[in-house]
Amino acid sequence: DVKVTQSSRYLVKRTGEKVFLECVQDMDHENMFWYRQDPGLGLRLIYFSYDVKMKEKGDIPEGYSVSREKKERFSLILESASTNQTSMYLCASRSLGQGRNTIYFGEGSWLTVV
Amino acid sequence: DQQVKQNSPSLSVQEGRISILNCDYTNSMFDYFLWYKKYPAEGPTFLISISSIKDKNEDGRFTVFLNKSAKHLSLHIVPSQPGDSAVYFCAAIVSGGSYIPTFGRGTSLIVHP
Repeated sequence: DVKVTQSSRYLVKRTGEKVFLECVQDMDHENMFWYRQDPGLGLRLIYFSYDVKMKEKGDIPEGYSVSREKKERFSLILESASTNQTSMYLCASRSLGQGRNTIYFGEGSWLTVV
Repeated sequence: DQQVKQNSPSLSVQEGRISILNCDYTNSMFDYFLWYKKYPAEGPTFLISISSIKDKNEDGRFTVFLNKSAKHLSLHIVPSQPGDSAVYFCAAIVSGGSYIPTFGRGTSLIVHP
């Protein structure tokens, strides 16, 4: 089974803090993604990475950056957290081989910025 | 502009009855569609998918129907069970492109015992 692990399930941070959300997948997937989920807005893509050291902006990249130094790890960084970044963050991964249409999600990280 | 629309934010169904969740799309280039199920405080899990070369795909109690001319797909759950209560997301992909799925905003299904 595919395993996508998000290291922090629940975080509370102060406005202006730098926040790191870590994600690791164990299936040697090339693609990795960061989404945020907000009520009534669905899943919105923040950034994605085709492969190591490659990154592309999604639909809402403002206020975020990412890092992919190793294939299995994709980090989301909030340089200066703001209250409007309070949300559930979801990491996902996907193989470019067979089954490429299906992405697999982690369990999510709930971030509250106060 | 939403390319994938789930116009019903919520749906309430009696246990044992059929649940029908709908999804419309505007981009005619979409050729692969997926449904994900999400419980609160958990990540979405893949449920079922369909390629545009088909008009129906079935997996146990779950069936997805695709009407390409209407740019519409639906997820049928028969019979509905209380454990099906979750948010369901429809997603669409342009194969041969970036393969980045575009998600709808979700429909919250509540199945009453």
